[in-house]
Amino acid sequence: KQEVTQIPAALSVPEGENLVLNCSFTDSAIYNLQWFRQDPGKGLTSLLLIQSSQREQTSGRLNASLDKSSGRSTLYIAASQPGDSATYLCAVQFYFGSGTKLNVKP
Amino acid sequence: GAVVSQHPSWVICKSGTSVKIECRSLDFQATTMFWYRQFPKQSLMLMATSNEGSKATYEQGVEKDKFLINHASLTLSTLTVTSAHPEDSSFYICSAPRKSGTDNYGYTFGSGTRLTVV
Repeated sequence: KQEVTQIPAALSVPEGENLVLNCSFTDSAIYNLQWFRQDPGKGLTSLLLIQSSQREQTSGRLNASLDKSSGRSTLYIAASQPGDSATYLCAVQFYFGSGTKLNVKP
Repeated sequence: GAVVSQHPSWVICKSGTSVKIECRSLDFQATTMFWYRQFPKQSLMLMATSNEGSKATYEQGVEKDKFLINHASLTLSTLTVTSAHPEDSSFYICSAPRKSGTDNYGYTFGSGTRLTVV
């Protein structure tokens, strides 16, 4: 069974700061990896999908990388904004990490 | 884009009753549906995988007689929580992989169902 770990569990940064969220997984034989955000009491919003053959994906201020050999993915958020405050979840195929709760302070 | 419609969004039921949650894929065929449960301040835990036309596969520790899953068509999967108890109160969410030939488009999630058992 795939084990997905996210570090840190929580992160608080001032507005405007660039930040990196980390995700690691135990089985490198994956089809894809997805990053989601979840607002309190809400469902999931897909942010980025990286196929196993890809090394990174970008969408606006977000950039996600994938290194299958080391079992790692990072989500880079540039110029963070208070609206980015949410829990960010990494999903390796259909297994989820425990999430990183991000708070961006105005 | 691919949409999974999940109903109801929230439900309150009395202890001992059963509740059915539906997930429909609106613009694609979902041969597989994943069902998750999320307790407050925790991540999503995979409960079971349903496959159209066959029995669901349950994760370890999930009671298959309590959480009945049916995947009768390529666009509909249902989760029935039987004889619900307050400890079953949780956020339930479904997800379907979307593929086209050899292209993999990731997983599309329903909007979730918040179940409260009183």
